[in-house]
Amino acid sequence: DIQMTQSPSSLSASVGDRVTITCRASQSISSHLNWYQQKPGKAPMLLIYAASTLQSGVPSRFSGSGSGTDFTLTISSLQPEDFATYYCQQTYVTSTFGQGTKLEIK
Amino acid sequence: EVQLVESGGGLVQPGGSLRLSCAASGFTFGTYWMHWVRQAPGKGLVWVSRISGDGSNTAYADSVKGRFTISRDNAKNTVYVQMNSLRVEDTALYYCARGGAFASHDYWGQGTLVAVSS
Repeated sequence: DIQMTQSPSSLSASVGDRVTITCRASQSISSHLNWYQQKPGKAPMLLIYAASTLQSGVPSRFSGSGSGTDFTLTISSLQPEDFATYYCQQTYVTSTFGQGTKLEIK
Repeated sequence: EVQLVESGGGLVQPGGSLRLSCAASGFTFGTYWMHWVRQAPGKGLVWVSRISGDGSNTAYADSVKGRFTISRDNAKNTVYVQMNSLRVEDTALYYCARGGAFASHDYWGQGTLVAVSS
């Protein structure tokens, strides 16, 4: 099984900050990496697929990069609505999610 | 508008069975892979299973393999998961999701809660 490890597990930041979340795969997954945002009590929402392609309707302050085993999700300027939990997901071999990164207001 | 509505959750004893349903609308159902993803209370997302548009291809997480069976009825625009030999650790909110590019999940339902307890 492919394991996905996100870091950090939690993060405190302020509105306007630039934030980066990292996701590492236990083996190469090419670009088969997706990112989701989940707010409390809500279903997850797809942000980015194929490591760097922005899902339709997602603000351009979100971006993704990486390939192979190391990936990043960057939010260029945090907005109040961005405080949530973020998950990466590999779909190279079936599917595995990372453990999540909780982004909190500082 | 794409909509996914799950149903069938509830309280069941360990060793019991349950069948979840996910009714889809707003898209050509039979042309999309469909997935089940679960989330235990206060925990992260766990992918459970997927099925191809024509139902011929399925896959399961190791934790449910041999106990869960995914299926679909394209005439009813519905995907199912039959869950047998349920364990306490299967307790979770079960989401169905539409398969998007790179096997992502581009639309999600609101989930149905399964509680396994004696």
